[in-house]
Amino acid sequence: QKEVEQDPGPLSVPEGAIVSLNCTYSNSAFQYFMWYRQYSRKGPELLMYTYSSGNKEDGRFTAQVDKSSKYISLFIRDSQPSDSATYLCAMTLNTGFQKLVFGTGTRLLVSP
Amino acid sequence: KAGVTQTPRYLIKTRGQQVTLSCSPISGHRSVSWYQQTPGQGLQFLFEYFSETQRNKGNFPGRFSGRQFSNSRSEMNVSTLELGDSALYLCASSLKMDTEAFFGQGTRLTVV
Repeated sequence: QKEVEQDPGPLSVPEGAIVSLNCTYSNSAFQYFMWYRQYSRKGPELLMYTYSSGNKEDGRFTAQVDKSSKYISLFIRDSQPSDSATYLCAMTLNTGFQKLVFGTGTRLLVSP
Repeated sequence: KAGVTQTPRYLIKTRGQQVTLSCSPISGHRSVSWYQQTPGQGLQFLFEYFSETQRNKGNFPGRFSGRQFSNSRSEMNVSTLELGDSALYLCASSLKMDTEAFFGQGTRLTVV
């Protein structure tokens, strides 16, 4: 069993929809949680990061962490075709961004 | 400012050969980490360097090695290539070990 589980999708939604992306994990020691976006043939781009449990909002993006359930989510409001990409969750035991453990990614398709 | 630069972008090698990949971090960044991305396993941590010292290492065989130079540029080497080494190899740089990691575009290695 992988340390971090993520539905590979694809997840297809119409433009303007609210998108919910999720990851579950098995190691309760993870402290930092991130979401990356990866376009085809590009490197991952950091969207959001949170420490421990709670919510964090940045524009159309909201990240949620529920450590008691070992579950993290990323919500995208008013989705746009330009949001079509693979979304990767990542987490780490240590401070900050060392030795990230990634989910396999969810492919999101937003149709006009 | 310039991002993380990885060279070459594409490589085709034969089984048994060795390969060296290069990563130039963002100017001023001292931490460089390497990841392997495959369709089946996703992104997996290889190793991290800070100030020319390996600080963290992932679960990869000894055929995978790396180093960092005094100007923070990093190289990774894979010896005795196997078909399963075909992957996208990503480099990420950070100002310090506990700050945001910025990824390069990756080097796509194909082993035939």
